[in-house]
Amino acid sequence: EVQLVESGGGLVQPGGALRLSCAASGFTFSSYGMNWVRQAPGKGLQWVSFISSGSLDIYYATSVKGRFTISRDNAQNSLYLQMNSLRDEDTAVYYCARETTVSSFPVGLDVWGQGTTVTVSS
Amino acid sequence: DIQMTQSPSTLSASVGDRVTITCRASQSISSWLAWYQQKPGKAPKLLIYKASGLESGVPSRFSGSGSGTEFTLTISSLQPDDFATYYCQQYESYSRTFGQGTKVGIK
Repeated sequence: EVQLVESGGGLVQPGGALRLSCAASGFTFSSYGMNWVRQAPGKGLQWVSFISSGSLDIYYATSVKGRFTISRDNAQNSLYLQMNSLRDEDTAVYYCARETTVSSFPVGLDVWGQGTTVTVSS
Repeated sequence: DIQMTQSPSTLSASVGDRVTITCRASQSISSWLAWYQQKPGKAPKLLIYKASGLESGVPSRFSGSGSGTEFTLTISSLQPDDFATYYCQQYESYSRTFGQGTKVGIK
């Protein structure tokens, strides 16, 4: 079964740090680009970051650039998001998601984890 | 960044209705658009890729169309399982922005 399982969420104070993990199984993890997407309580989806299959291409949303770092370990079938200098507005459910391609062009996120909740509050 | 604007933000419909949701991009994105369905407490589900490609396993009552800056998601005959929130997402730029969502509720 193709599956993504996030972990690492929790309660953290403003200015603090947290590292999210996403464990992949059931597919060849090293062949896919991966994304983090978040959803604040009662709000819509917000794309956070992307990393290509071989980690050569990395992109961030403007709101997290310089504070968050995406990485992956293909040997461990794992995706990570290091979040530093956390703010109240980073409070959200964080999803990892696999990117599907057509003729090597990204066209959508076809596999999602169940999400992990990050709460930034004093 | 490319901005994605969906309309309407909410809509009420009955089972069997034909439903259309629009997504507009702030600049041309060719056909690099995906549509997702999300139910409360659940992860989103990919419905449509590259503007009109139906994801495997998605019922044929869902269809997508458009190119450039204007796109539509159509549900030909709304079913009870379709009451959910729908999002578009662009893939033209590295910043894969989502629309704000359209909540489809029961009339």
